[in-house]
Amino acid sequence: DTAVSQTPKYLVTQMGNDKSIKCEQNLGHDTMYWYKQDSKKFLKIMFSYNNKELIINETVPNRFSPKSPDKAHLNLHINSLELGDSAVYFCASSQALLRQGEQYFGPGTRLTVT
Amino acid sequence: TQLLEQSPQFLSIQEGENLTVYCNSSSVFSSLQWYRQEPGEGPVLLVTVVTGGEVKKLKRLTFQFGDARKDSSLHITAAQPGDTGLYLCAGGTPGNQFYFGTGTSLTVIP
Repeated sequence: DTAVSQTPKYLVTQMGNDKSIKCEQNLGHDTMYWYKQDSKKFLKIMFSYNNKELIINETVPNRFSPKSPDKAHLNLHINSLELGDSAVYFCASSQALLRQGEQYFGPGTRLTVT
Repeated sequence: TQLLEQSPQFLSIQEGENLTVYCNSSSVFSSLQWYRQEPGEGPVLLVTVVTGGEVKKLKRLTFQFGDARKDSSLHITAAQPGDTGLYLCAGGTPGNQFYFGTGTSLTVIP
């Protein structure tokens, strides 16, 4: 069984569109994350969320918004897509108080904005 | 934003050689993790160190956390082609936020 899954794997869209990426974890973890990996492979945290608190990286544009329908899901919604949003987006999860927050990553969603 | 600089950025070595990757920051972290990422996949955790000066060994890989908990190193002995990948360090805060390093792309040539 896949621990952390993301859909879609690839997403190609035009500037100005709104899109969502879905993430699900079946590990029973209490914290989920979204990361953006740019073309230079730099992995940057965007959000972390548990059932109590959403922490937003201050550099993330407000066009990006995480939505959590339940503890096992953290979706990423992006409004008014821009060329610079092209990147690979990774979802991850961890159990905050277990094993110093070992994170399990999904396979990534490659977003291309044209 | 806490910045972790990794060096070298790129490393290409022959099978059987030893190598060390460094992860440096001006910030203090409560934990330090090392991940390996292969093309088209997400990072996979290799190790977590939490105590200043801590050394952990995982087969041919040796990880060390600096005494001041600001830096770390990864040493690989007798590198093999299967070690090829992107190595990422990540510093953890008490609030469970993780800041990743700039990455080291390792290629081991058979």
